[in-house]
Amino acid sequence: DAGVIQSPRHEVTEMGQEVTLRCKPISGHDYLFWYRQTMMRGLELLIYFNNNVPIDDSGMPEDRFSAKMPNASFSTLKIQPSEPRDSAVYFCASSAGQVNGNTIYFGEGSWLTVV
Amino acid sequence: QQQVKQSPQSLIVQKGGIPIINCAYENTAFDYFPWYQQFPGKGPALLIAIRPDVSEKKEGRFTISFNKSAKQFSLHIMDSQPGDSATYFCAANNFNKFYFGSGTKLNVKP
Repeated sequence: DAGVIQSPRHEVTEMGQEVTLRCKPISGHDYLFWYRQTMMRGLELLIYFNNNVPIDDSGMPEDRFSAKMPNASFSTLKIQPSEPRDSAVYFCASSAGQVNGNTIYFGEGSWLTVV
Repeated sequence: QQQVKQSPQSLIVQKGGIPIINCAYENTAFDYFPWYQQFPGKGPALLIAIRPDVSEKKEGRFTISFNKSAKQFSLHIMDSQPGDSATYFCAANNFNKFYFGSGTKLNVKP
């Protein structure tokens, strides 16, 4: 398996622009997570899905952030409008839940810089 | 509120030393405690994990010690190598929701 695939790997954008991050989970995994990593706050869970349905979005910072999972093999995290404080590494992760002992597998991250 | 507290923030050891990273939690509903290893520019990768009904688990040079009554668990790296230099995260899971510690940056000097 290719693992969790994220794109783009790096993005530099101007404040106010829309940013869309993409994720392809591991085939067969029915949980998908979006995390944000910064030096100040570490790894924060933004939202997670089960069977394409958002289960907990309490970590989404504000209305500028939205996430969708239109099917089992694709998810997006959108920031509109982007701000410099959104600069971080955004990780997508997937899991088969109890089937594989709750292990979550991370992608390599999308490094976002908002200038 | 930080669900999992991790220490130290950074750690420097000589090759062959035994770095120890500690984590503490409050929520007794947590039922799965993994450790993740992250190299620069990469995503975290599962290293080793333990469930609360076990007090110790070893996989190669990595050992988790778990103290349920104290609500603490720790990672020991035996015979540490420069290639172990990375950031280590502990985590705790409840109903498929993972809470991560703040991370420990380990530097193993040759």
